[in-house]
Amino acid sequence: GAVVSQHPSWVICKSGTSVKIECRSLDFQATTMFWYRQFPKQSLMLMATSNEGSKATYEQGVEKDKFLINHASLTLSTLTVTSAHPEDSSFYICSARDLGEDEQFFGPGTRLTVL
Amino acid sequence: RKEVEQDPGPFNVPEGATVAFNCTYSNSASQSFFWYRQDCRKEPKLLMSVYSSGNEDGRFTAQLNRASQYISLLIRDSKLSDSATYLCVVFSSNTGNQFYFGTGTSLTVIP
Repeated sequence: GAVVSQHPSWVICKSGTSVKIECRSLDFQATTMFWYRQFPKQSLMLMATSNEGSKATYEQGVEKDKFLINHASLTLSTLTVTSAHPEDSSFYICSARDLGEDEQFFGPGTRLTVL
Repeated sequence: RKEVEQDPGPFNVPEGATVAFNCTYSNSASQSFFWYRQDCRKEPKLLMSVYSSGNEDGRFTAQLNRASQYISLLIRDSKLSDSATYLCVVFSSNTGNQFYFGTGTSLTVIP
């Protein structure tokens, strides 16, 4: 299957810091990327859908000014958690999908801990 | 009503047992269906797509019933390495090209 990378794989930061997470599709063009968040013992929750070159579509309850998403190229999307707080500590996972394909491929995830 | 609903689990089965997971979805226009496997603190990995005619991959068999909006996964001859959370995933293009996840069913295979 296709490969999606995420960086960093884990980050620990102080409250108030902004954290940037990168998601890259390594061997295909990701026309659509999805950002998910998963709290312990819970399922993945979709945060936003981003299509290359356009603004991301955020799910209800997800603050677009707090979770900034940029999908500037067909192989890279970034999620920036601005002014992170302890309640933002979670496992953030991106996935990517090519145009015309139904399957999505997941990155390995980024574990964020905000102190 | 949730878009995708799964058996709550957890399932604890002995090695060699056969176990079945069920999943229902609410959008009758959904077009693609998948089972993903997620190990603890890891990302989900595709186990298999689910086709209308049903499909098999080794010890794993997936079935789709569009009339009942029901998906199943059967695991035969369970191995210890099958222990994981199994996620039912449905893709719908009529609601914005979105994937909908079930909450997952936890499986533990016991020696």
